[in-house]
Amino acid sequence: AQSVAQPEDQVNVAEGNPLTVKCTYSVSGNPYLFWYVQYPNRGLQFLLKYITGDNLVKGSYGFEAEFNKSQTSFHLKKPSALVSDSALYFCAVTTSSGYSTLTFGKGTMLLVSP
Amino acid sequence: DVKVTQSSRYLVKRTGEKVFLECVQDMDHENMFWYRQDPGLGLRLIYFSYDVKMKEKGDIPEGYSVSREKKERFSLILESASTNQTSMYLCASTKGTGGSYGYTFGSGTRLTVV
Repeated sequence: AQSVAQPEDQVNVAEGNPLTVKCTYSVSGNPYLFWYVQYPNRGLQFLLKYITGDNLVKGSYGFEAEFNKSQTSFHLKKPSALVSDSALYFCAVTTSSGYSTLTFGKGTMLLVSP
Repeated sequence: DVKVTQSSRYLVKRTGEKVFLECVQDMDHENMFWYRQDPGLGLRLIYFSYDVKMKEKGDIPEGYSVSREKKERFSLILESASTNQTSMYLCASTKGTGGSYGYTFGSGTRLTVV
């Protein structure tokens, strides 16, 4: 069975500082990894994905994530946080096999203070 | 702009009622999904469908059923609503198989069962 761990319920960072939201995964076979963001009372919005190729992937709103196969991690990063980045972030994993579905982590609340 | 539309943003229902949550997508996607989201638990898969009239159980199907009579529409049914089904319900869709496309989510339906 596949699973995702987001070890931090909340991450606090000051505006202008770099941010990291952690994600580790467990899956049989090659992983497809995703980050989504959710603003209050809204659905999930796609940020970025890793399917294959370059381990560093860039996404929307200046976010990026690094795939590390040996550590089974896919941490989300941004060089300079904005107050408007404050939201709930979800990491998710699936595989290339058949009708595999997306398995989500429990989410990490990012709070960026002015 | 491509969309997944959930018919209601907020619903209040009484215990024991039969509840229908509707989801429509305009992207001609083969696959559709219903998740529920609860604080601290992330998103959990209830049911999914990879074709018209096809359905598969997810991780937490108990107390729910689904219907997919047309490709664009996927309905979640609470046969007899209970207070522990109070939650945010998210519908999603994706094309093809293999998971590489990621999911497009609706805005969610916040259901309260009293």
